[in-house]
This record gives sequence, structure tokens and C-alpha cells, in this order.
Amino acid sequence: RKEVEQDPGPFNVPEGATVAFNCTYSNSASQSFFWYRQDCRKEPKLLMSVYSSGNEDGRFTAQLNRASQYISLLIRDSKLSDSATYLCVVNPSGGGNKLTFGTGTQLKVEL
Amino acid sequence: DGGITQSPKYLFRKEGQNVTLSCEQNLNHDAMYWYRQDPGQGLRLIYYSQIVNDFQKGDIAEGYSVSREKKESFPLTVTSAQKNPTAFYLCASSTRNTEAFFGQGTRLTVV
Repeated sequence: RKEVEQDPGPFNVPEGATVAFNCTYSNSASQSFFWYRQDCRKEPKLLMSVYSSGNEDGRFTAQLNRASQYISLLIRDSKLSDSATYLCVVNPSGGGNKLTFGTGTQLKVEL
Repeated sequence: DGGITQSPKYLFRKEGQNVTLSCEQNLNHDAMYWYRQDPGQGLRLIYYSQIVNDFQKGDIAEGYSVSREKKESFPLTVTSAQKNPTAFYLCASSTRNTEAFFGQGTRLTVV
């Protein structure tokens, strides 16, 4: 089993739609979780950290489910500019620092 | 401005040559990483370093070498033993259990 797994997509959604991505991780001792956004031919950039209590930033909501070992990202009212690849990132070691990336989920928002 | 800088942005290598990619950060981060990304694929970890003068192999270390003589610098050498080096190389840095910050990447092409 991969350390971090994501559905590669692509997810093609109309503008204004709500879309959700899930990401599963294998190491139950993982301590920190993040969602990154990567535009074509660019470096990944942090979208948001994921906290145990869940967190929201405008149209974006991230959730962590430790029992089932997955994190999720919900995007409401999708914009054309949300089109990108969304990467799930997990620090699996707890005491150390070895960030592990999922392969990413591609989102295409269409008119 | 604090940040992480990779150079060069584009690099061309002849077969059989070693080339070195530069990565410098002034964020005072302890951990630094090198990832490789192939077209349409996720990020794969080549090497990472959690402290000066120490580094560990990632998932695809064969054909690569690194050094960490200074906290700010983590150069990656792509050796002639790497049979398929054409890819997008990303350097990142982080502190313990925090998000990673990326450089803008180096596109390496074998000619």
C-alpha cells in the first residue's frame, strides 16, 4: 500500500459546483497534514494545513479523519481559477520530518 | 525577502555528464528535500536532510548524490548513472512538522 494515495482524476466540474477530494494515508502515527495546489509547470504551493478539528478558509474546507486515516478537501462555488492539481501531503514519521506527497488530483473547472 | 532559490531554471545535459542543481534557502529551516516530477506524475522523493552534515535516501536515490555542508544549501548532483534524468526537479525546505516551501524548480533535459 502506498504511504499516501489520491484519486488522480481528472475531476471535470462546472463553474459554481462543489467538489470534494479524499486522500488516504497508511501510517497511523502521522502527525501533520497539508493540501497543496500545483499549477501546470509550476512549483506546489501550500493551500492549507489540516487540523484535527477541521478548518475552513473561504471556499475551502479541510477535514481529518484519524480513525479511517484520510483527509479531505472540499471546494465550494468552484471558480475557473481553481483548475489545478491538488496534492495531499503527510508527515508520516511524527518525530522527524519526511514529508510524503500523494500523486495529486487534477481538477478542471469549466464554463 | 525570505525564500528558497533554485538555479538554474533550465539545464541541458549531455549524456554521460554529471550536473549539479543548486538549492539555497534563507528561511533558517532545518530540513531540506529534493523531489523529482515527471510529466503528469506526482512528486517522488530523491533525498532529504534533517540537519547539517546528514542526509537520507528517498524513494529514488539511485543515480543522484547530495551534500549538506551548510544549513542554507542542499545541492543535488545528477550523475551519469541516472539513466533517465530528464524531469522537473523541485527543492523544498521546512521546519519540524510544518509545511514545506518550494523553490521554482529546475527543468533538466538530456540532449
